[in-house]
Amino acid sequence: DGGITQSPKYLFRKEGQNVTLSCEQNLNHDAMYWYRQDPGQGLRLIYYSQIVNDFQKGDIAEGYSVSREKKESFPLTVTSAQKNPTAFYLCASSMGGVRRNYGYTFGSGTRLTVV
Amino acid sequence: QQQVKQSPQSLIVQKGGISIINCAYENTAFDYFPWYQQFPGKGPALLIAIRPDVSEKKEGRFTISFNKSAKQFSLHIMDSQPGDSATYFCAASRRDTGGFKTIFGAGTRLFVKA
Repeated sequence: DGGITQSPKYLFRKEGQNVTLSCEQNLNHDAMYWYRQDPGQGLRLIYYSQIVNDFQKGDIAEGYSVSREKKESFPLTVTSAQKNPTAFYLCASSMGGVRRNYGYTFGSGTRLTVV
Repeated sequence: QQQVKQSPQSLIVQKGGISIINCAYENTAFDYFPWYQQFPGKGPALLIAIRPDVSEKKEGRFTISFNKSAKQFSLHIMDSQPGDSATYFCAASRRDTGGFKTIFGAGTRLFVKA
């Protein structure tokens, strides 16, 4: 079945450590996104990529970095510069602007906790 | 102009009742309005979506009503069930450079009492 796989499901980070969250999709979608969700809050856009080897900052990119070397993969690194990284991280993909299909498919999320 | 305002923040409905969640937008360039359903610990899933050329779309117990002149749209859940208890997000999308841009509402936590 096609979908988005996020790993790990739970991740613990020590102070000053960089961690990388994995996101893989087999939907052949061009666009991929990373969102952060805090308890009881909405979705805030961190980074997005419309095409391989290209990505743009979202609304809260500081302290995060991404890469898009393959169409299927869009890993997110939470760096030590992100002072409050404890949150639920969601990866999503979409067909992009093709045929005006703007719907997102989301992964199951990674819950990151600073210890 | 980029905001999507969603209300209420939380909602409690009796089993069998109608749940209504409202959203409003400002930017008339938006041309796709989806609703997402999220269960605790899971990612949101696309529930139903509408384009501004129609005023209503129904899928099973879920209906979107769209008022283009008022720049408002709403989700109606008929015969609400305990299994509908989740957080619902509205969103609005428009074309952007190289693709499209989506703005999400803040979410509504729905609890359906058995």
